[in-house]
Amino acid sequence: GQNIDQPTEMTATEGAIVQINCTYQTSGFNGLFWYQQHAGEAPTFLSYNVLDGLEEKGRFSSFLSRSKGYSYLLLKELQMKDSASYLCAVSPGGSQGNLIFGKGTKLSVKP
Amino acid sequence: DVKVTQSSRYLVKRTGEKVFLECVQDMDHENMFWYRQDPGLGLRLIYFSYDVKMKEKGDIPEGYSVSREKKERFSLILESASTNQTSMYLCASSPAGSGTDTQYFGPGTRLTVL
Repeated sequence: GQNIDQPTEMTATEGAIVQINCTYQTSGFNGLFWYQQHAGEAPTFLSYNVLDGLEEKGRFSSFLSRSKGYSYLLLKELQMKDSASYLCAVSPGGSQGNLIFGKGTKLSVKP
Repeated sequence: DVKVTQSSRYLVKRTGEKVFLECVQDMDHENMFWYRQDPGLGLRLIYFSYDVKMKEKGDIPEGYSVSREKKERFSLILESASTNQTSMYLCASSPAGSGTDTQYFGPGTRLTVL
């Protein structure tokens, strides 16, 4: 089967660093996406990894290890507006564009 | 900027009604998707389309149908709405490709079936 796991909830303090993990088991792999979704809003694209390693984009970084079926999203210098759900999604082998989504990690940033 | 719009933000319907949810994208994307999102279950794919008049079943197609008569428009149809179809419905689009292209989401339609 195809499965994506990520923690349900996390809490962190403003100004701190938080790491959200995602593990996946899929039949084939074409890449991994991270999306941010504020309550009541649509998911918005954050990052895409297809090769092993770290992709940095401002305060956000995303890491991929294909051999371990593992990714993480790293958020630095946390701000209150980072309180949101973070969705991990994988493009499986043979995909025509469809993604498999994890259930999302709800991050709460406290003052 | 990619823009994906959905016909309604909030919708209330009665059990047994036929419901149409419309989605339009303005970036000439080949792929379009319909998801539902429920607490604790995440985003689940209902149907997707990779070309006009083409459709593929996702993970939970039962009780739904779709229509794609024009490239920019993808409609989700609930033939006979039931209370267990109360949910947030999200439409997305992406360019044609091998699955490496980002999906862009509409604002969502929160459907309540009474």
